[in-house]
Amino acid sequence: GQQLNQSPQSMFIQEGEDVSMNCTSSSIFNTWLWYKQEPGEGPVLLIALYKAGELTSNGRLTAQFGITRKDSFLNISASIPSDVGIYFCAGQLGGGSQGNLIFGKGTKLSVKP
Amino acid sequence: DAGVIQSPRHEVTEMGQEVTLRCKPISGHDYLFWYRQTMMRGLELLIYFNNNVPIDDSGMPEDRFSAKMPNASFSTLKIQPSEPRDSAVYFCASSLSFQRYRANYGYTFGSGTRLTVV
Repeated sequence: GQQLNQSPQSMFIQEGEDVSMNCTSSSIFNTWLWYKQEPGEGPVLLIALYKAGELTSNGRLTAQFGITRKDSFLNISASIPSDVGIYFCAGQLGGGSQGNLIFGKGTKLSVKP
Repeated sequence: DAGVIQSPRHEVTEMGQEVTLRCKPISGHDYLFWYRQTMMRGLELLIYFNNNVPIDDSGMPEDRFSAKMPNASFSTLKIQPSEPRDSAVYFCASSLSFQRYRANYGYTFGSGTRLTVV
């Protein structure tokens, strides 16, 4: 089946540092989504991307839909302690049908004050 | 909007017992999804419904798992009999139709049910 390769698996950074994570696939995706999951909660949508090359920001978060439609990245600038959590990428295959989202395995982010 | 509501939040049961997880999706959402999350396998789609009709249940592990959506505001995931390897966090999510509401697309997840089978 289709798979998303998300990296890095985990990151341990100092408060104030910038963060970058990405997802790649051998399949072409119609939509890329980025979610954040905090302990004891479900994933929460951060950013949605719909077109190849699209660059979208949400506060300190910026995500891009790769030109090839097979990858996406998420950047977090000037990290703060509340950025801690697991970040998931998710992609939806093309074809116009709803289908379902395929999730990456997540990037666990730890921020040291 | 109260979001996607799941119950119970935690469930501890003995092997062989029946377990029923419940979900109330966001009103007006066309799609409902059941996911299972474990450390080893991440988020796995079990089954999803469109307008209360099951569309794809290929992710359901085996016949011990069943899901129903009797109406637009309620769904259940049942495991009978339960086994220790079923221990995981089970999430329900709902969404609008991608084609109709593209600008607002994206699954909304509930807080999950943490299931422990001993």
